[in-house]
Amino acid sequence: QVQLVESGGGVVQPGRSLRLSCAASGFTFRSYGMHWVRQSPGKGLEWVAVIWYDGSNKYYADSVKGRFTISRDNSKNTLYLQMDSLRAEDTAIYYCARGDGDYRLFVTFAYWGQGTLVTVSS
Amino acid sequence: SYELTQPPSVSVSPGQTASITCSGDKLEHKYACWYQQKPGQSPVVVIYQNNKRPSGIPVRFSGSNSGKTATLTITGTQAMDEADYYCQAWDSSNAGVFGGGTKLTVL
Repeated sequence: QVQLVESGGGVVQPGRSLRLSCAASGFTFRSYGMHWVRQSPGKGLEWVAVIWYDGSNKYYADSVKGRFTISRDNSKNTLYLQMDSLRAEDTAIYYCARGDGDYRLFVTFAYWGQGTLVTVSS
Repeated sequence: SYELTQPPSVSVSPGQTASITCSGDKLEHKYACWYQQKPGQSPVVVIYQNNKRPSGIPVRFSGSNSGKTATLTITGTQAMDEADYYCQAWDSSNAGVFGGGTKLTVL
């Protein structure tokens, strides 16, 4: 069965960096676009970033553009999110999700991990 | 940037029909998905491509998309359906977009 397991969350000071990982199993990882989605405490879902199945394209939400970098290692079935210059407003649960669909028309977040909590605080 | 708008809350009596709307400019030209999220859990897709149900999702969940509004309908709502529901679409700028979420209360 499809499994996505995030790790790397924790408490970090404003302005510092953190790298999240998402280990995938149960499907052909190199065949799917992958996403990060976050949820601030008590708030709604916010899409963060996508990376194409082969890593050829990456897109970001305006709120993280220039500070976050999404990447993947298809040989390790692992997705990453490098988060630099962190701000208090980046505090959230970060989920990785598999994106299914025709990326020209639609993407469904078919599978989600359990999430990892990032807290940005001094 | 593209935006999707949902009502913050919807209430329904057990056994009745709940409808949750999601509006956005030219949404009818996009495909809408719906996710259910219960407290402390990750979201689960209940409708994709406007009106398709993933395996394992009860038939009481259905979806539609016309005009500028996508609608999630739960027919014969059960207590276990109480949750937050989010609509989602994929924008042509290669960005995911979520609605603000709707808290469904079954009372």
